[in-house]
Amino acid sequence: GENVEQHPSTLSVQEGDSAVIKCTYSDSASNYFPWYKQELGKRPQLIIDIRSNVGKKKDQRIAVTLNKTAKHFSLHITETQPEDSAVYFCAASKGGSSNTGKLIFGQGTTLQVKP
Amino acid sequence: EAQVTQNPRYLITVTGKKLTVTCSQNMNHEYMSWYRQDPGLGLRQIYYSMNVEVTDKGDVPEGYKVSRKEKRNFPLILESPSPNQTSLYFCASSYKPTPGTGGSPLHFGNGTRLTVT
Repeated sequence: GENVEQHPSTLSVQEGDSAVIKCTYSDSASNYFPWYKQELGKRPQLIIDIRSNVGKKKDQRIAVTLNKTAKHFSLHITETQPEDSAVYFCAASKGGSSNTGKLIFGQGTTLQVKP
Repeated sequence: EAQVTQNPRYLITVTGKKLTVTCSQNMNHEYMSWYRQDPGLGLRQIYYSMNVEVTDKGDVPEGYKVSRKEKRNFPLILESPSPNQTSLYFCASSYKPTPGTGGSPLHFGNGTRLTVT
């Protein structure tokens, strides 16, 4: 079955620096890759997603890149702020005719942004 | 307000005592799913449902049951809870049967923290 590996497990950056979180997936048929942010004590919430027909997507300070050949995708946060401190999860799933209904998550990355 | 509602938020129980965690969504979503969150393991899928009366196993279904008799409700049942089921549980739903299809992201409930002693 699908497996998603996420690195690093923890990441500490200074405010204003960039942060990068990487994920690899095992099933080449996966075609949907969302990223979720979970603040302390709260529910995960979608922050950005990308589909397999797109190589890069950006929304203000966050961007996601996808390399289908290498089966990995990354989250980039620029000009980090203390409110970016949270746990971030990547995920992968298959849609269309290959749909299994499964959305598989990575292990999570705890990002700490130091003021 | 559109939301996924889980109850209870906190539950402490003893080994072997059957329990049910309820999940309800008011967004007419086709897809519902249960996840458990454990430190270092991320979110692991327990069961999911792509439509009424249709349920499928996720990656960690052992020890759990679900049902989808109505579109809005997707209860998680632990027939005989054990300490290794101590975890934070999340229910989630999406409009389309496949999360992400046609701009249909996964919406999470607030979570249920379960402790089994």
